[in-house]
Formats: sequence, structure tokens, C-alpha cells
Amino acid sequence: RKEVEQDPGPFNVPEGATVAFNCTYSNSASQSFFWYRQDCRKEPKLLMSVYSSGNEDGRFTAQLNRASQYISLLIRDSKLSDSATYLCVVNTPLVFGKGTRLSVIA
Amino acid sequence: EAQVTQNPRYLITVTGKKLTVTCSQNMNHEYMSWYRQDPGLGLRQIYYSMNVEVTDKGDVPEGYKVSRKEKRNFPLILESPSPNQTSLYFCASSQDGSSYNEQFFGPGTRLTVL
Repeated sequence: RKEVEQDPGPFNVPEGATVAFNCTYSNSASQSFFWYRQDCRKEPKLLMSVYSSGNEDGRFTAQLNRASQYISLLIRDSKLSDSATYLCVVNTPLVFGKGTRLSVIA
Repeated sequence: EAQVTQNPRYLITVTGKKLTVTCSQNMNHEYMSWYRQDPGLGLRQIYYSMNVEVTDKGDVPEGYKVSRKEKRNFPLILESPSPNQTSLYFCASSQDGSSYNEQFFGPGTRLTVL
């Protein structure tokens, strides 16, 4: 059974905090990995792809551990605008995690 | 502007009344798909299409039909809607079926079946 598991949260953090999300996947043959962001009642949008060597985009860092079959997302210096649900996505086959909800509080 | 559009955005209907939710993309994408999103269950794929005239079932196809007569359009059809199909529906497209491509989502259709 293809599964992607995430801690649903919510993670309530103060502005400026560093927060990390983890995601585990069950299909060892999965080839590509992503983090999507979904604002309340809106469509998901790609935040970043996750590469084997790890990758960074500003305050966001994504890591992949194929041996342990988990993906992580680190957000540094959290902003109020980071409040959203973060979806872990694995392909192939394409499977979405249920999402981790983040609330950044002033 | 590159986008995926869905119509209607909101729909309230009654059990058994056939309905169609349209989806259109202007990015010349080959791959299109439909998802439903329910609280606690996340996004679940209903149907997908790798190209014109090629459609396949996703994880939850029961009660739904799709067609792909043109590359840009991928309508979702509910022949006889039931209350358990009340949900938030998203259409998505990507360049092709490659696992490395970004999925572009439409704005969503909130369906209520009474």
C-alpha cells in the first residue's frame, strides 16, 4: 500500500522561530519528492522539490533520506505569512500526504 | 497567464441530479487529473489522463466519470451524485506524466450534495 505519513499538527510557533516537518513514505521505489503549500480553502502550490543532496531556497531547506525513507522541511525565521498547511508529495506513483498545519503567531 | 480553471467554483445540488465540473488548462499540458480533498483524508486522486483519449482510474474513481476529448479540457462528471461526494474538488495538470513535473492546480470546486 502506497502511503505518505505526516504529523498533522498544528504546529503553533512564534514569529522568528525555526520549525521542522518530517514526512515518511512507504514505497522505496519512489523517484521524486516535493513539498507543496496550501493556504486555507485554496489550491496547493509547489513550494520546492526535494533533491537527494538536499536543497535550500531562502529560509526553506528540504532534505531527503532515501535509506530511512523520509523527507524533511525546515523553515527558519518563521513569518506570519508562512501560516499554511504543508503537503509532502511523493512520485511515482503520485501520493499526497495529508498535510501538516503551521500557525505562526505574532 | 498560465492557469488551470474550474467551473463552477461552488455548487449545491441534490442527490441524483447529474452534474459536470469543467476543467481547462492553457499550458499545453499532456497530463491532467482530478482530486477530492476531505478533512482528515487529504488529497485523493479520482481519475487521471496521460493524454487525449487516455484516462485511468485513480484511488477513488467510484461514482465519477471523465473524458479527455481535447488536450486542454478534462471534465469531471457525476452521473448520480450522492451526499458522500460532498467535497472540495481540484483539477490539476502537469507537462507530462513524468514523476519530476510540478502539478498545477485549479482553484477548486466546493460541491455540496443534499
